[in-house]
Amino acid sequence: QVRLQESGPGLVKASETLSLTCSVSGASIRYYFWSWIRQPAGKGLEWIGRIHTSGRTTYSPSLKTRVTMSVDTSKNQFSLNLSAVTAADTAVYYCARDLEAAAGEVNWFDPWGQGTLVTVYS
Amino acid sequence: SYVLTQPPSVSVAPGKTARITCGGNNIGSKSVHWYQQRPGQAPVLVIYYDSDRPSGIPERFSGSDSGNTATLTISRVEAGDEADYYCQVWDSSSDHPGVFGGGTKLTVL
Repeated sequence: QVRLQESGPGLVKASETLSLTCSVSGASIRYYFWSWIRQPAGKGLEWIGRIHTSGRTTYSPSLKTRVTMSVDTSKNQFSLNLSAVTAADTAVYYCARDLEAAAGEVNWFDPWGQGTLVTVYS
Repeated sequence: SYVLTQPPSVSVAPGKTARITCGGNNIGSKSVHWYQQRPGQAPVLVIYYDSDRPSGIPERFSGSDSGNTATLTISRVEAGDEADYYCQVWDSSSDHPGVFGGGTKLTVL
């Protein structure tokens, strides 16, 4: 059974960089895409971007100037960096496996990590 | 980017059938996936590829997708089905391919 676990600081100062890691257990991280998704309190889900273990990335246009994702296959982990954070970046951040079919035309997310709350303070 | 529209809330009595819609331009040409999110928990995939159920998801959950509307149907609704439900598509032609609907709060009366 594949399990994902997010880790990182729960508090980040405004203008600094949010850094989170997702640890994967129960399966190799290789050969899959892995996504980050966030959810502000009381609001819906927002896809941030994804990374393949080849290093290929796709980021949301609204965040791409501030987002960097990386993968460490030796540790079975992948990471998210979001720079120049503001209060609008306060949210629960989820990592999820990104399953692909139909030559990349179809993608869905399963499973998800439990999520980690990141609060931006000033 | 592609937009998915869901009703904010749906209410249903126990034992009845709940239908949650997800509207999008020609959504019938895309594959739609559905997630259940109980309060304080992470989302869980309940339907993928329009109508397939992951292992462990009850047969009471079903999905359909045609024209401009996709629908998640929950039969014989139970109190434990009360949750937020999100639809999702992958718009591969867009620079923002990962798209979620705004979510629907299912209330079991």
